[in-house]
Amino acid sequence: TQLLEQSPQFLSIQEGENLTVYCNSSSVFSSLQWYRQEPGEGPVLLVTVVTGGEVKKLKRLTFQFGDARKDSSLHITAAQPGDTGLYLCAGKANQAGTALIFGKGTTLSVSS
Amino acid sequence: ETGVTQSPTHLIKTRGQQVTLRCSSQSGHNTVSWYQQALGQGPQFIFQYYREEENGRGNFPPRFSGLQFPNYSSELNVNALELDDSALYLCASSLDFRSVSEQYFGPGTRLTVT
Repeated sequence: TQLLEQSPQFLSIQEGENLTVYCNSSSVFSSLQWYRQEPGEGPVLLVTVVTGGEVKKLKRLTFQFGDARKDSSLHITAAQPGDTGLYLCAGKANQAGTALIFGKGTTLSVSS
Repeated sequence: ETGVTQSPTHLIKTRGQQVTLRCSSQSGHNTVSWYQQALGQGPQFIFQYYREEENGRGNFPPRFSGLQFPNYSSELNVNALELDDSALYLCASSLDFRSVSEQYFGPGTRLTVT
């Protein structure tokens, strides 16, 4: 069974701080996605990483895919209150080939 | 372009009852996937429909069933509701089943079973 473990589970920081969220697995994934979910809403896709070692930037967010395609990280620079939400990593389930496996998520709270 | 919509937004049911949740996929998308998200957890895959046929199923019992219609909208039916079925039910659409990594989620239906 493929599992994605995210850490930390909760993160509470002040505006302007930097943070990193991790997504780890013992399995290889063909791609990993990062989503952000706000209360009462569905997850919104932030980025998809496909190539081992790939780094993608989205404004103040930097996403990295591990060389072995088993792990990924999300780094936020100078966090803002608008970054508050649940960050989920997800990977395509190799066996089924049709579904995404999600981690449990990291709940980020940024206070001003 | 219309995004993924779901109805109803909230629902309260009693244990043992049956429920039907509805999803309209994004324009041009022929694949719909359903997920269950319990409180404090990530979404868990229930099943997927591609061109009106089930195209993959997660570890959920047969009392979870679905349909997809010719316009690619979809329904999730749950029979004999249990308390543990209380969750946010998410529908996601993608261009087709091969592009499942590019799914777009609806806002979800919050189901409470008492």
